[in-house]
Order: sequence, then structure tokens, then C-alpha cells
Amino acid sequence: HLQLQESGSGLVKPSQTLSLSCAVSGASVSSSNYYWSWIRQPPGKGLEWIGYIYHSGSTSFNPSLKSRVTISVDTSKNQFSLKLNSVTAADTAVYYCARLTVTTKSVDYWGQGSLATVSS
Amino acid sequence: QSVLTQPPSASGTPGQRVTISCSGSSSNIGSNTVSWYHHLPGTAPKLLIYHNNQRPPGVPARFSGSKSDTSASLAISGLQSEDEADYYCAAWDDSLNGVVFGGGTKLTVL
Repeated sequence: HLQLQESGSGLVKPSQTLSLSCAVSGASVSSSNYYWSWIRQPPGKGLEWIGYIYHSGSTSFNPSLKSRVTISVDTSKNQFSLKLNSVTAADTAVYYCARLTVTTKSVDYWGQGSLATVSS
Repeated sequence: QSVLTQPPSASGTPGQRVTISCSGSSSNIGSNTVSWYHHLPGTAPKLLIYHNNQRPPGVPARFSGSKSDTSASLAISGLQSEDEADYYCAAWDDSLNGVVFGGGTKLTVL
């Protein structure tokens, strides 16, 4: 049974870096069948794709966030991580880690979500 | 502003059939398949439909999807009170090399 579990900074000060990790159980982040993704939902708004990392280490990011985002993978821990720097209040959101299937381009599994609040 | 366009709200009475539309462009819906998600605040979104009209195991047959050109629709027949939730469409976008979402439709069961 696949599980994705986010962990990381819940409160971040403006201009600092938001860091989140996603522990994966029941599947391998080394699989070529999936893009390991981050998606967020600001309060009262819809879902926004942030980016993904592939087993090869290649990444793709939402152009609106590309200059501030890093996604990395740790195969030894079977987890992947998100770093978003120079945060502002607009980055306050529930952040979801998710598995995006390469063949169907759909997100078949999501984490429960982690609220990150940007405030001084 | 979301890349895909959905109506912000929809409603129906128990037993009715409701549809939710999703409009995109040639770089997303026009050239890729559409997926739909069910979301209750505070929980993980759930995949309802993938490849335009395919249901994952466990999703009832009263949920169905369709696509035509640059638009897609989600239909829910035999509406039930537990269907009250937010529904999102999504599609791969070739110009972004990533996923784009609709703004979400809040479904109310009257």
C-alpha cells in the first residue's frame, strides 16, 4: 500500500527558505514509471503544480516558481524534497507531495498535505 | 488565475445528474488526456478519472468523464450527499512540461 508523508517547516519567515520532505513507502523513488511531484493549494484557492523530479534526477518546474524552487531526491531514504526560497505571504499554502504517473500523466497518489505559513 | 477553466460552483439534488465542465487550450487538453480529482478540505485529493474517461479501482461507475477538442466534462449521476466536495480537472501541458489544474468547482448537494 503506497503512502506519501510530508514533513518540514510549518512556519517560515518572509525571505527565508521553505523546506519540505516527502517519505515514500510502498513504492521506489527510483522507478522510471513516475514523476515525484509537489503541488500546493493556497488558502481559498485552487491547486497549483510546483514541479517534479524523475528517477534520472531531471526536473521540471512551474515557470512562475522556477527561479526559487529546488526539488531533490534521496534514494537511500526513499524520499524527495522541496526547497522554496525567498518566500512571501503568497507562498502560504498546503503543500502536497504526489506521485504523477508517466503513462497517464495523472496523479494517482497524494500525501495528506502540510500547511506552510509564511509570517514574521 | 488557473490555466484550465471550471465553473466555481455547481449544485444538484440527490439522485440528479450533474456535469462539471473544464476548458483548456491546444497545448493541454487539446493534445493530452484529462484527469479529475475529488477533494475535501483537510484531506488528500483523490483521483476520480484518468485518460479522459477511465476510473481507478474503487471509483463508482456513476462518475464518468469525457473530452472533446479542448474541453472536458465530469458527470456524476445518482447524486449523493457524500458527493459534496471540490472537483478539479487537470491535464498535462506540453508548453510547460508539467500539469495544469482548473480552479476547482464546489459541488453542493441540495
